[in-house]
Amino acid sequence: EVQLVESGGGLVQPGGSLRLSCVASGFTFSNYWMNWVRQAPGKGLEWVANMKQDGSQIYYVDSVKGRFTISRDNTKNSLYLQMNSLRGEDTAIYYCAKDRGGSSGYDYWGQGTLVTVSS
Amino acid sequence: DIQMTQSPSSLSASVGDSVTITCRASQSISTYLNWYQQKPGKAPKLLIYGASSLQSAVPPRFSGSGSGTDFTFTISSLEPEDFTTYYCQQSYSVPWTFGQGTNVEIK
Repeated sequence: EVQLVESGGGLVQPGGSLRLSCVASGFTFSNYWMNWVRQAPGKGLEWVANMKQDGSQIYYVDSVKGRFTISRDNTKNSLYLQMNSLRGEDTAIYYCAKDRGGSSGYDYWGQGTLVTVSS
Repeated sequence: DIQMTQSPSSLSASVGDSVTITCRASQSISTYLNWYQQKPGKAPKLLIYGASSLQSAVPPRFSGSGSGTDFTFTISSLEPEDFTTYYCQQSYSVPWTFGQGTNVEIK
């Protein structure tokens, strides 16, 4: 059974940092692109970042470029999102999502972890 | 960035009805269009990928069509568990973008 389990969310002050983790199981993690997608309270979905299997390609949405860093450790079946210089508009549930492959969407998602940026 | 415009933003229907949601891309995305269902408090679930391919274990009452810039998503006979929110997403080019969502409500 495929599972994605996020952790690391919480309350942080504006300008602060947080590191999210996602541990994968039930599939060969190193074979797939992985993604972070977020959803602000009561709002729609926003793709944040993704990373190729070997880390050789990384993409970010413009609003987080220079502040967020995606990374992965294939030996630990884990995906990470280092979030720095956090702003109120970064408040959201952050989901880890597995690429289906071939640019065909995300077939498995974690339960999400809530990040709240507030003073 | 490719903008995805979903319509309607909400609709009301009854169990057994057929409903259609449309999604329009701001430029051609071939068939790189996916549809998700999201229930309150839950992660999204992939229903349709590649505009018209049904994801594994998804009931056949869900279907999708289209190419280029115009796409449709249809639920042929609404079941009680289908009353929730649906999103389209383009996977043609970065940044992958979602439509704003369509809330399917019980009439």
